[in-house]
Amino acid sequence: DVKVTQSSRYLVKRTGEKVFLECVQDMDHENMFWYRQDPGLGLRLIYFSYDVKMKEKGDIPEGYSVSREKKERFSLILESASTNQTSMYLCASSFREGDEQFFGPGTRLTVL
Amino acid sequence: AQRVTQPEKLLSVFKGAPVELKCNYSYSGSPELFWYVQYSRQRLQLLLRHISRESIKGFTADLNKGETSFHLKKPFAQEEDSAMYYCAFLTGRRALTFGSGTRLQVQP
Repeated sequence: DVKVTQSSRYLVKRTGEKVFLECVQDMDHENMFWYRQDPGLGLRLIYFSYDVKMKEKGDIPEGYSVSREKKERFSLILESASTNQTSMYLCASSFREGDEQFFGPGTRLTVL
Repeated sequence: AQRVTQPEKLLSVFKGAPVELKCNYSYSGSPELFWYVQYSRQRLQLLLRHISRESIKGFTADLNKGETSFHLKKPFAQEEDSAMYYCAFLTGRRALTFGSGTRLQVQP
C-alpha cells in the first residue's frame, strides 16, 4: 500500500510566521504535489515536483514555496503566513505523469 | 483556458434512485479524465479514469468529446455512496486540474 504522510493534521499559526508543511511518501514516486482544498473551490494546485530539486508552479503559487531535496519528501513553505492561507492542505504523489495520485490525510492550517 | 466545471455543489437523491454527477471540461486537445472521491474522514482517492473503461462500485463514466463531458453515473444509489466527488483532467502539463466538487447525499 502506498503511504503518503503529512507532518501534522492540525496546525495553528500567527500572521507573519514562517510555516513548514512536510509530506513523505514511501513508494519511490517520481511526482509529488501540493494542493489546497477550500469549500466551493475544490482542489487547487500550488506547486508540484517531478524530480528531486525540480519544481513547477501550479495555479496558485503566490505566497508559497517548496523544497524537494530527497525523492520521498516534499515540503511546502509559507514564507509569511496570512489569514487567507487558512485552508486544508493536501499532499499527493504518483509514480509517473498521468498515473493515479495517492493523497495524504491533509493538514488543516489556521492562521490567526 | 483549461478548466473543469462541476455545476452542482450538492446533489441529494434517495437510496435506489439513479445518480448522475455532471462534469464538463474545456480543452481543445484530448484530455485524460478522472473521478476522485472523498468519503467522510477518509483520504481523497481515485474512483475511476476514462482510459480504463471500468465500472467501480457500480459507477461508470463515459467521455463525450462532442459535449466535452465526463459525467459520472450509477443506476441505483446506495447510502455508502455519500461523499464528495471531484472530476479532474490531465492536459499537457504534468499535473491534474480539479473541478470544484459535488457533494452527493444519498438519503435512506
